[in-house]
Amino acid sequence: KAGVTQTPRYLIKTRGQQVTLSCSPISGHRSVSWYQQTPGQGLQFLFEYFSETQRNKGNFPGRFSGRQFSNSRSEMNVSTLELGDSALYLCASSRGQPGADTQYFGPGTRLTVL
Amino acid sequence: AQKITQTQPGMFVQEKEAVTLDCTYDTSDPSYGLFWYKQPSSGEMIFLIYQGSYDQQNATEGRYSLNFQKARKSANLVISASQLGDSAMYFCAMTPFSSNTGKLIFGQGTTLQVKP
Repeated sequence: KAGVTQTPRYLIKTRGQQVTLSCSPISGHRSVSWYQQTPGQGLQFLFEYFSETQRNKGNFPGRFSGRQFSNSRSEMNVSTLELGDSALYLCASSRGQPGADTQYFGPGTRLTVL
Repeated sequence: AQKITQTQPGMFVQEKEAVTLDCTYDTSDPSYGLFWYKQPSSGEMIFLIYQGSYDQQNATEGRYSLNFQKARKSANLVISASQLGDSAMYFCAMTPFSSNTGKLIFGQGTTLQVKP
């Protein structure tokens, strides 16, 4: 079974630009979550999508948005990039069932904002 | 408030020895899940082991075991017979079941270095 894939793996943008990251979950998984990892703040939850609906959202500004498609693939978008958005963005997929439901992570997209 | 605390920023262990990575958690939820993930320098988070709050026995997965002490709210990871490939960052995480979502709350992580 193929794992979670994320594209692109690396991205360099300048302040003010926008960026779209993509995540393809494990086959059969209906939930996709996004996390931001920085040296200062650690791992922070961005949002979770299940069956094309946002099920939970972390404490991030509205510049961060996401969506999920009918095939469970998900994209997240960051508009008006700031230097502080430089981070490793990790996507995780799971079956989406409440309770004990392991999330499996992709390799991440490393975003650098100049 | 839900919180995970990992008090060891860095740890060293000799190859083939066992090592314990500490994790304490804070939650008012009666039901929750606890996870450990490994993050090598490549960045990918690798799932290691899961423990449910209702599980009576400690979880084990190969060389990994979880020392779960519910009353103390601790969920320490034990790695037996350390290997050089175990050198990585290790994260403890929790999900409260009442949230009805998969949101994981992570600790700050522990960097483990295995010495030959």
